[in-house]
Amino acid sequence: DAGVTQSPTHLIKTRGQQVTLRCSPKSGHDTVSWYQQALGQGPQFIFQYYEEEERQRGNFPDRFSGHQFPNYSSELNVNALLLGDSALYLCASSFAGRGHKKLFFGSGTQLSVL
Amino acid sequence: SQQGEEDPQALSIQEGENATMNCSYKTSINNLQWYRQNSGRGLVHLILIRSNEREKHSGRLRVTLDTSKKSSSLLITASRAADTASYFCATDAGTGNQFYFGTGTSLTVIP
Repeated sequence: DAGVTQSPTHLIKTRGQQVTLRCSPKSGHDTVSWYQQALGQGPQFIFQYYEEEERQRGNFPDRFSGHQFPNYSSELNVNALLLGDSALYLCASSFAGRGHKKLFFGSGTQLSVL
Repeated sequence: SQQGEEDPQALSIQEGENATMNCSYKTSINNLQWYRQNSGRGLVHLILIRSNEREKHSGRLRVTLDTSKKSSSLLITASRAADTASYFCATDAGTGNQFYFGTGTSLTVIP
């Protein structure tokens, strides 16, 4: 049973470029959340997708957008990259059923913006 | 600002000793969770405690929750070198969907 998989593992971009990160949730999970973790900080919630719609959003600008596909996989897109977007991007999946609040995380995508 | 804040920021102990780390949060919660992260990779869920629970055990882990003080503690007994990691508390601020993580406690267990 595969866990949460993220791709790519590392990415280097320059300011102003656009990036797409991908996530496949754990088998049986229907909800995907994205987090940004800066060096030395805790993960910060970007947004959550359920039933192919953004269900909740954290305090991130519109440059951050996402998508969820019918197979529950998800993409995170960041436009007009800034140096401050350099971080570890974590995808977490969960099951929306009652009481299922545990998050399963992927290993993350390390994004460096030069 | 983040909902949960852990202290201490860093903790160094000898193998076999107990490690205690604390978490404070700001608003009402449905549940509080503790996660572990090794070397900046993905987080691993350790334990979940609901707002109507006061203490929970899982193996060498003991978690307490005091909703009146808006605080929780994680105790790792008989620590091992493999416990070296960063530990985060996460709260849902009552929403059930958006989880707030603290800045974490970096634990080093010296063999």
